[in-house]
Formats: sequence, C-alpha cells, structure tokens
Amino acid sequence: DTEVTQTPKHLVMGMTNKKSLKCEQHMGHRAMYWYKQKAKKPPELMFVYSYEKLSINESVPSRFSPECPNSSLLNLHLHALQPEDSALYLCASSQLPGGSWREKLFFGSGTQLSVL
Amino acid sequence: DQQVKQNSPSLSVQEGRISILNCDYTNSMFDYFLWYKKYPAEGPTFLISISSIKDKNEDGRFTVFLNKSAKHLSLHIVPSQPGDSAVYFCAASLETSGSRLTFGEGTQLTVNP
Repeated sequence: DTEVTQTPKHLVMGMTNKKSLKCEQHMGHRAMYWYKQKAKKPPELMFVYSYEKLSINESVPSRFSPECPNSSLLNLHLHALQPEDSALYLCASSQLPGGSWREKLFFGSGTQLSVL
Repeated sequence: DQQVKQNSPSLSVQEGRISILNCDYTNSMFDYFLWYKKYPAEGPTFLISISSIKDKNEDGRFTVFLNKSAKHLSLHIVPSQPGDSAVYFCAASLETSGSRLTFGEGTQLTVNP
C-alpha cells in the first residue's frame, strides 16, 4: 500500500463552520505534512509532524489546527476560515531521516476547499 | 521571494521528441533537488531527485542535470510520451531546514501524439 488517502475530496463551508480534513497512510511513515496549494501556485508547507509530534508550523493562522492522533492519521481542523483560505489542501507522508526520506514525499489527492 | 523558479508555465512537444523542463534557484545553500509530476485531481508524485554533490542523475527516460554555478537544473524526458502530459514541479531542500521543500510554480507539459 503506497497510498495516502484524504477525505473529503471536496468541501464547501461557511465562515462560521467547523470542519475537519482527514489523512491516512499505512506505509509506516513517521513524518506527515499538510500543504496548501492555490490555483496555478506551488504547494506551500503548513505543518510537519515527526513521530506524532508537531515539528514545523510555518506561521499558520490559528484557525487551522493540526492533529496527529497516531502514526497513521493526520487531521486538520478548520474554524472560522476566510474566503482567501479556499485552496487545495494536500497531505503527504515520508520516512524519517536515516534513509532516503528526502527523496520522496507521498502525496494524497487533496481536499478542494471552498470557503463562502 | 520565490527561491525556486520555473519560468516556463507551459511546454508543448511532439511524441517521441525530447522534453526539457527548466528550473532556477536563488538559494545557494539548497543541497537536494527533486522533480514531482502532477496529474489533474491527483496529488504530486515523486519523479526523480539529485543531490548537490552530483551533476546528473538518470532513471529510465528521465534525466536531471544540475549546474550549481548557474543555480540551474533541468529535467530531460526522452522519448516523450502522451502519458507524460502533466504539471511538473521542481523542488529544493536544505538538510538543515528539516522537512521543508520549496516548490517552483510548475510547468504544464503537453505531449502531442
């Protein structure tokens, strides 16, 4: 199994809603990532979890709240988002340093989020 | 400040010919470079990588060349196939930056039958 599974594929939410994005991998990877990608722009790193602990937060607003309940799951909790937060949210995973981890991020297909 | 740049938003080539995708970077501390391919409605998939201690890495039809003095890398696909039509992202990383990848804006490659 070399897949990273993201749900839902599409999400429309109002600015007062609370929603969660989910990501799952069963490759035994111990690093998991959230990226944000706007149309015709490159993916931008938001958060990195290493061994289920938050290791990188790229100064993301607190209306985005990541959670890593276990080594296979990664959530992104959304609250009080703005229309400019509409984007494709990508989850990824990789092995940790010691091997060829820098060579490969495995990405999910993403959640296309629209904030109205 | 875009540290990794792909100046060609699109490229069109004929099937069987060579595709050359280019990438420039400004941070001389980058020590690892990667190419990802992205089809519509899918996440990016890893294609090939190169360490800064090398100037060439080859994997089947794909070859990446690195010119450190020019801060330039390129991806060669030969022969190009219609299934190669996708957006190609160049990415760079620093060992000391942990798990951060800096992506370029992507080049849409179209291979015409």
